[in-house]
Amino acid sequence: EPEVTQTPSHQVTQMGQEVILRCVPISNHLYFYWYRQILGQKVEFLVSFYNNEISEKSEIFDDQFSVERPDGSNFTLKIRSTKLEDSAMYFCASSVIRNQPQHFGDGTRLSIL
Amino acid sequence: KQEVTQIPAALSVPEGENLVLNCSFTDSAIYNLQWFRQDPGKGLTSLLLIQSSQREQTSGRLNASLDKSSGRSTLYIAASQPGDSATYLCAVMNRDDKIIFGKGTRLHILP
Repeated sequence: EPEVTQTPSHQVTQMGQEVILRCVPISNHLYFYWYRQILGQKVEFLVSFYNNEISEKSEIFDDQFSVERPDGSNFTLKIRSTKLEDSAMYFCASSVIRNQPQHFGDGTRLSIL
Repeated sequence: KQEVTQIPAALSVPEGENLVLNCSFTDSAIYNLQWFRQDPGKGLTSLLLIQSSQREQTSGRLNASLDKSSGRSTLYIAASQPGDSATYLCAVMNRDDKIIFGKGTRLHILP
């Protein structure tokens, strides 16, 4: 069965550095999402992406964050000037269309030192 | 502002029992509601998605219901098994495409 894959599985970065989290959605899916889950807390929606543009974003997704689909397969989340509170699991998801189940990757654990 | 609440926060039941997990949401203007399973250290696995126009969905031993007017959904698990042990998350997609998750119910099935 096709899967959403995320790399790396664990990223350790110094505070203030930039990180890029990578995702390969399922190939025939059109909607893409990023979520984060701070340890012990709820899964939080960050952004949805469709037709090469952001379709919706949460209050968390400020100027520090950006997303990109640089080619036909990858979907990336860039976090600039990382802060300690950015430490979390970041999940990528994709769906065929908006009203279909989302398929999640296993996540990238981001640790900011 | 949409809020999603799940009760109980944790549940332990003996193997073989039927059980119900609850989810409530404050704004009934939703697009859909989805139930997920999350295993430790893993991503989320979609179990059932209910469109706003639907009342229930079934998949194997799982049945999810939706009562939009009262802002409630339930996930019914029949004949529970130890492999069902996981955290179950409820998430609503608002009409503005934002997705709000509950904190989840940690389920432990006792062998």
